[in-house]
Amino acid sequence: ETGVTQSPTHLIKTRGQQVTLRCSSQSGHNTVSWYQQALGQGPQFIFQYYREEENGRGNFPPRFSGLQFPNYSSELNVNALELDDSALYLCASSFRAGGQETQYFGPGTRLLVL
Amino acid sequence: ELKVEQNPLFLSMQEGKNYTIYCNYSTTSDRLYWYRQDPGKSLESLFVLLSNGAVKQEGRLMASLDTKARLSTLHITAAVHDLSATYFCAVDITGTYKYIFGTGTRLKVLA
Repeated sequence: ETGVTQSPTHLIKTRGQQVTLRCSSQSGHNTVSWYQQALGQGPQFIFQYYREEENGRGNFPPRFSGLQFPNYSSELNVNALELDDSALYLCASSFRAGGQETQYFGPGTRLLVL
Repeated sequence: ELKVEQNPLFLSMQEGKNYTIYCNYSTTSDRLYWYRQDPGKSLESLFVLLSNGAVKQEGRLMASLDTKARLSTLHITAAVHDLSATYFCAVDITGTYKYIFGTGTRLKVLA
């Protein structure tokens, strides 16, 4: 157990809908990253938040957006869902203080878009 | 194009044998990570390698980093069935807060 929790665990949506996924970071961590992992693939970096600001983003369109709250919990929002958005969504929290920065992953939310 | 490639993609080995997984990356990176993922589960952090020549060991796994060659290795010694999983390497791109994961190596250790 890493202390990182995600909700919901599973979700089914239809194309065009919007979804919000939630992540609660490990206590004391100030950084959260979100990843998309399609079946049989490695995780793809979506973005990272540090102290409530986005400071790194992968190759994902603007319909993927996020928030980090003062308590360092986080949300991933995806608008206008497409079939290809079906994947496991992972959040990872870490403490940024220079040097080593180990990410601790949550259990993930499995999203199915029909 | 930024790439992180692992070799091999699939590995089936007998218990007690040794083997090495390779991770090549095409970008300048400050840190290299190794993770383990069991089927249907999340990722577990194994190692963080910070500098050229870094070597870390935990149990039957040993990871090393050569930043000049942009190569990391994960060496498995005397494999046991419990090591069966998918192993990923990942790098963060120098000067950014962006991470790239490798393709993954699916390891199966046969009893």
